[in-house]
Amino acid sequence: QVTLRESGPALVKPTQTLTLTCTFSGFSLSTSGMCVSWIRQPPGKALEWLALIDWDDDKYYSTSLKTRLTISKDTSKNQVVLTMTNMDPVDTATYYCARMTPTVAFDYWGQGTLVTVSS
Amino acid sequence: DIQMTQSPSSLSASVGDRVTITCRASQSISSYLNWYQQKPGKAPKLLIYAASSLQSGVPSRFSGSGSGTDFTLTISSLQPEDFATYYCQQSYSTLRTFGQGTKLEIK
Repeated sequence: QVTLRESGPALVKPTQTLTLTCTFSGFSLSTSGMCVSWIRQPPGKALEWLALIDWDDDKYYSTSLKTRLTISKDTSKNQVVLTMTNMDPVDTATYYCARMTPTVAFDYWGQGTLVTVSS
Repeated sequence: DIQMTQSPSSLSASVGDRVTITCRASQSISSYLNWYQQKPGKAPKLLIYAASSLQSGVPSRFSGSGSGTDFTLTISSLQPEDFATYYCQQSYSTLRTFGQGTKLEIK
């Protein structure tokens, strides 16, 4: 059974750095073809893809946010971590992690975690 | 980056209707196109992958077609549980992108 769960602060102040952790089970990120992505959704708005890390530790970032994002994995702990620097109120959103398989679709998602950026 | 444009942005329909949602890519993406359904307060759910393959457990009233730049999601006979927001997403580029969504509402 595949599960993913996001964790991190619910509230951050402007200019702070956000660190989110995706803890997963039911698959291994060391398996060829496996990837984990972060995706966010501001309230009432569309999904926005942020970053992806694959089984080979290759990393890919949204063009518009790449200077602020870092994605990493700890295969032994079954975790993927996303950091986003210089947080702003416009970054208020529900942040999801999701698994991507060789079918190159996001087939399993976490329940999401709402992050509010406010002073 | 590859831009994904969905139409319409919103749609009103009745139970039993046949509904089609369109997604257009800014460049050819072959068949690397996926469709998701999202209900309020919930994570998106994968419906269709690789443009036309039905994800396990998804009802057969959902179907997808297209290749290159133009794709469609069709619901053959709307059920009450189908009223939701639908998103397309491309996986041709390593920089994945989503469409802006289509909200399907009850008429």
